[in-house]
Amino acid sequence: KAGVTQTPRYLIKTRGQQVTLSCSPISGHRSVSWYQQTPGQGLQFLFEYFSETQRNKGNFPGRFSGRQFSNSRSEMNVSTLELGDSALYLCASSLQGRVDTQYFGPGTRLTVL
Amino acid sequence: DQQVKQNSPSLSVQEGRISILNCDYTNSMFDYFLWYKKYPAEGPTFLISISSIKDKNEDGRFTVFLNKSAKHLSLHIVPSQPGDSAVYFCAASDRSGGSNYKLTFGKGTLLTVNP
Repeated sequence: KAGVTQTPRYLIKTRGQQVTLSCSPISGHRSVSWYQQTPGQGLQFLFEYFSETQRNKGNFPGRFSGRQFSNSRSEMNVSTLELGDSALYLCASSLQGRVDTQYFGPGTRLTVL
Repeated sequence: DQQVKQNSPSLSVQEGRISILNCDYTNSMFDYFLWYKKYPAEGPTFLISISSIKDKNEDGRFTVFLNKSAKHLSLHIVPSQPGDSAVYFCAASDRSGGSNYKLTFGKGTLLTVNP
């Protein structure tokens, strides 16, 4: 069974631009969660989607948004990029969203110049 | 306010010896704890978990201990192998509070196992 895939793997943007990251969950998984990893803050929860509905949201500004499609694929969007948004963005999928059954993708490394 | 803390950024041990990674938490509502291992350029991989109703859980070379009164958990790896060299993350969840879908992570500990 194929794992969680994230595209692109690497991305370079400049301040003020916007970016869209994509996550394809494991086949059959309906829950997708997004996390941001930075050296200073570690891994922080962004939001979780289940059956196209956002169920949980972390403490991030409104510039961070997401959505989930009917095939469970998810996208994350960051508008008006700031230097501090440079991070590794990780996506995790699971059948129902339970934390003990999450599988992580390899992440997208975003660099904001 | 960091609710899950891993105070040792790095740890170095000899192959065959025991590795002990520590984690402290402040939120008394956390009732489920997990350890993840992460290699560079890969996502975190689940290692082992423990529910707050237990104080110990074993899986092969990996054992997690939970001390609820001290709000402390530790991961023991015995014996340590060079392939265990990675960043280890402690994570917690408040499942009974309805946050079964959200993990709060520590900042990680880089374990290096020397041959």
